[in-house]
Amino acid sequence: AQSVTQPDIHITVSEGASLELRCNYSYGATPYLFWYVQSPGQGLQLLLKYFSGDTLVQGIKGFEAEFKRSQSSFNLRKPSVHWSDAAEYFCAVAGGGADGLTFGKGTHLIIQP
Amino acid sequence: DGGITQSPKYLFRKEGQNVTLSCEQNLNHDAMYWYRQDPGQGLRLIYYSQIVNDFQKGDIAEGYSVSREKKESFPLTVTSAQKNPTAFYLCASSATWNTEAFFGQGTRLTVV
Repeated sequence: AQSVTQPDIHITVSEGASLELRCNYSYGATPYLFWYVQSPGQGLQLLLKYFSGDTLVQGIKGFEAEFKRSQSSFNLRKPSVHWSDAAEYFCAVAGGGADGLTFGKGTHLIIQP
Repeated sequence: DGGITQSPKYLFRKEGQNVTLSCEQNLNHDAMYWYRQDPGQGLRLIYYSQIVNDFQKGDIAEGYSVSREKKESFPLTVTSAQKNPTAFYLCASSATWNTEAFFGQGTRLTVV
């Protein structure tokens, strides 16, 4: 069965600093990969997705992610964070078949002034 | 305005009562999902439906029931058999199975 691991439960970054959130997946073939963001008490918003092709994908709000097959990773990056980026971030994988979308447990991003 | 609408946003239930959470989408999506979110647990799949008139149990279906009589609607009933129903419930839909999902704003259910 497919699975997703987000190793960092919490990350604190200073405003203006760069950000990298880690995501590792387990799936036998090339999966579909997603990053979502959730503000408190809200639903999830899709930041970006990877289906195939270029391994560096651009998303909304200045985020990007890189698919690395050799490392089974799909890390999310942003060159300079803003206070409004403080939120919960979820990585998800869709491997096909009956498994559907599987989410990681999330990383809580805190922005320091 | 296309999207997914969940109602109500907040819901209170007495122990022993069934309660139904509404989820409607006007995106013409085939697939719909219900997730439960608890602090530190991420999202856990309750039920999903790949097409109208069909649905399947997810990882934590016990104590829940659903129906999919119309393409745009996928209501979730939390029954009295659910031992710990207090949680944040999220509904989602996707154009087809295994493509990106779009989420509603959630319903926070509290058992009092």
